[in-house]
Amino acid sequence: AQKVTQAQTEISVVEKEDVTLDCVYETRDTTYYLFWYKQPPSGELVFLIRRNSFDEQNEISGRYSWNFQKSTSSFNFTITASQVVDSAVYFCALSVFSGSARQLTFGSGTQLTVLP
Amino acid sequence: DAGVTQSPTHLIKTRGQQVTLRCSPKSGHDTVSWYQQALGQGPQFIFQYYEEEERQRGNFPDRFSGHQFPNYSSELNVNALLLGDSALYLCASSLTGVYGYTFGSGTRLTVV
Repeated sequence: AQKVTQAQTEISVVEKEDVTLDCVYETRDTTYYLFWYKQPPSGELVFLIRRNSFDEQNEISGRYSWNFQKSTSSFNFTITASQVVDSAVYFCALSVFSGSARQLTFGSGTQLTVLP
Repeated sequence: DAGVTQSPTHLIKTRGQQVTLRCSPKSGHDTVSWYQQALGQGPQFIFQYYEEEERQRGNFPDRFSGHQFPNYSSELNVNALLLGDSALYLCASSLTGVYGYTFGSGTRLTVV
């Protein structure tokens, strides 16, 4: 079985600060994808980033960056120079290759509030 | 290009009733998955439909059932509603063999 843990329930920062959201996952599968989604009050889950288990290279995409470490089963997500529009609930999710559906297993989410 | 469309957006039902939620996948997608998101929690996988058949099911009782039509749209049915079924129901579409999910805005179901 898969499990995703997001220990931070709520985070509050002031605009322009950097913020890192933590994610720890558990799986016995060796092939999997990790995701970060953003959920604004409208409810729709918006895809942010995806990383497969074969590639631990960390990248930067605009104001977003991520730190994937298989040794610690962590997939942390950083927003640089946060903006008020970044306020939302952020979910980390895991999808393994085994099984036909490859469904997403989500963490419980982190509520990010960016204050002006 | 329309994304995933779900209807209705909000719904209020009485305990014991039955409800049907609908989902139209993103153009070009052939697979539909349903998730239940209780307040303050992450989404949980209910089941997935592909080629009009249930491909995989999460840990949900048989009161939850679904259907996929030839045009790839899907319905989620819940019978004998319980207060605990109150949640946001999200539909996600994808294309088999391609790793990417597009979510709709969900249907907010309230059971009273």
